[in-house]
Amino acid sequence: GAGVSQSPSNKVTEKGKDVELRCDPISGHTALYWYRQSLGQGLEFLIYFQGNSAPDKSGLPSDRFSAERTGGSVSTLTIQRTQQEDSAVYLCASSELVGLVHGSGEQYFGPGTRLTVT
Amino acid sequence: AQTVTQSQPEMSVQEAETVTLSCTYDTSENNYYLFWYKQPPSRQMILVIRQEAYKQQNATENRFSVNFQKAAKSFSLKISDSQLGDTAMYFCAFMKGWGAQKLVFGQGTRLTINP
Repeated sequence: GAGVSQSPSNKVTEKGKDVELRCDPISGHTALYWYRQSLGQGLEFLIYFQGNSAPDKSGLPSDRFSAERTGGSVSTLTIQRTQQEDSAVYLCASSELVGLVHGSGEQYFGPGTRLTVT
Repeated sequence: AQTVTQSQPEMSVQEAETVTLSCTYDTSENNYYLFWYKQPPSRQMILVIRQEAYKQQNATENRFSVNFQKAAKSFSLKISDSQLGDTAMYFCAFMKGWGAQKLVFGQGTRLTINP
């Protein structure tokens, strides 16, 4: 079946503009994660969704970052008033099951969106 | 908070050789999972192997195996009979065994397999 897809693949935007990044998880996966990969900071967790709710937003770097998930499927990560330090690859992942001790679900990653803020 | 450390930024070996990538982690959790992910130039993160902390037996997937030393908090990846297609960034990652199951990644090791 189809894997995790993300759009756009690449995005160049001017400083101060808003951007929206989209993630389509694998059908039926209840958990969805956003990560950011940058040269200086490596791979960082941003936010996690279980269904439509986000129990963990601890990784969002500022209030310019927000995310939502609708219908337990597609998620959008929005960055307002982009800054140059927001330039990075934004990765989305989904997993089938999140539970207790033995409920760890393998996370399947999308190809990422490379964001460049000029 | 959990931390993951990969002390080898880059490694290079000849095709068909065996290579071991190092990873150490720090946690106070007792139940957790450890992973090795591969990221080729295409950017697609691919799971290579996973280890449940409650299992004493080291995980193996074809040419890939791990040496999991729980007391030492060490989790190395061994690639046997390396192939050109193994060239990629390799990330070690930690996941709590409960609650919000975000991955905590190491800094990565860039592995190059030379012909």
